[in-house]
Amino acid sequence: DQQVKQNSPSLSVQEGRISILNCDYTNSMFDYFLWYKKYPAEGPTFLISISSIKDKNEDGRFTVFLNKSAKHLSLHIVPSQPGDSAVYFCAASAPETSGSRLTFGEGTQLTVNP
Amino acid sequence: DAEITQSPRHKITETGRQVTLACHQTWNHNNMFWYRQDLGHGLRLIHYSYGVQDTNKGEVSDGYSVSRSNTEDLPLTLESAASSQTSVYFCASSLDLQETQYFGPGTRLLVL
Repeated sequence: DQQVKQNSPSLSVQEGRISILNCDYTNSMFDYFLWYKKYPAEGPTFLISISSIKDKNEDGRFTVFLNKSAKHLSLHIVPSQPGDSAVYFCAASAPETSGSRLTFGEGTQLTVNP
Repeated sequence: DAEITQSPRHKITETGRQVTLACHQTWNHNNMFWYRQDLGHGLRLIHYSYGVQDTNKGEVSDGYSVSRSNTEDLPLTLESAASSQTSVYFCASSLDLQETQYFGPGTRLLVL
C-alpha cells in the first residue's frame, strides 16, 4: 500500500517557466513532509520541508504548499533552470515514528529544457 | 568535513553468495537507515538503527540483515543474494529528533 504517491513519473518544462511537482498521501498521521532532489549516480539531497502546522514554506526559488484536507502537497520551482533537471522525491513522516523514519514517493523526473 | 560514504560503489555477485555493503558516517548521528531504490517504487526502507546495538526491520527487510556495533557504521548484509535484490542501495543518517536525512552516494548491486 503506497502511502505517499507521486502520480507523474516525468515532467518537462521550459527554462524560466514554473515547474510544479505533485505528491499525494493517504496516512492522516503524517505531520512532516520533505522534498529531496536526486541527480544520476548521486544520493538524494534534502531540498525543502514543511510541517503540518503550515501551509506554505519558501526557500529561494523553491516553495512547498501543503493542503491537509486534500492530503496533497506540491513543490513549485520558479524560475526553472536546466540545473534543476533531476528526480524529485516527496517524503513524509508521522509523529509516532521517532528518529525520523520517512516514507518516500516513487519520484518524478523533471527535465528543464534550455 | 563530515560525510557519509558507501562502499563499494558498484558490485556484481552471483546468486546465493553473501554480500556486505558498507556505510560509514562521520557526523556522529544516532540514526542510520538503509534503502533500496527501484524504478516505480522510489526509496523503500530495508533496515534502520536508532543507536549502537539497536536494529529494526523496515518495509522490505526479508533477505537482509544489519548490525550496529558503533555509531559510525551500519553494514548491510545480503545473506544469500537473489536476482530480485539487484538494485541501487542508499544509506542515510540523521540526528535524533530531526527529520532531515543525509544520504550516501549509493551502491549499485547486480546479482547474476
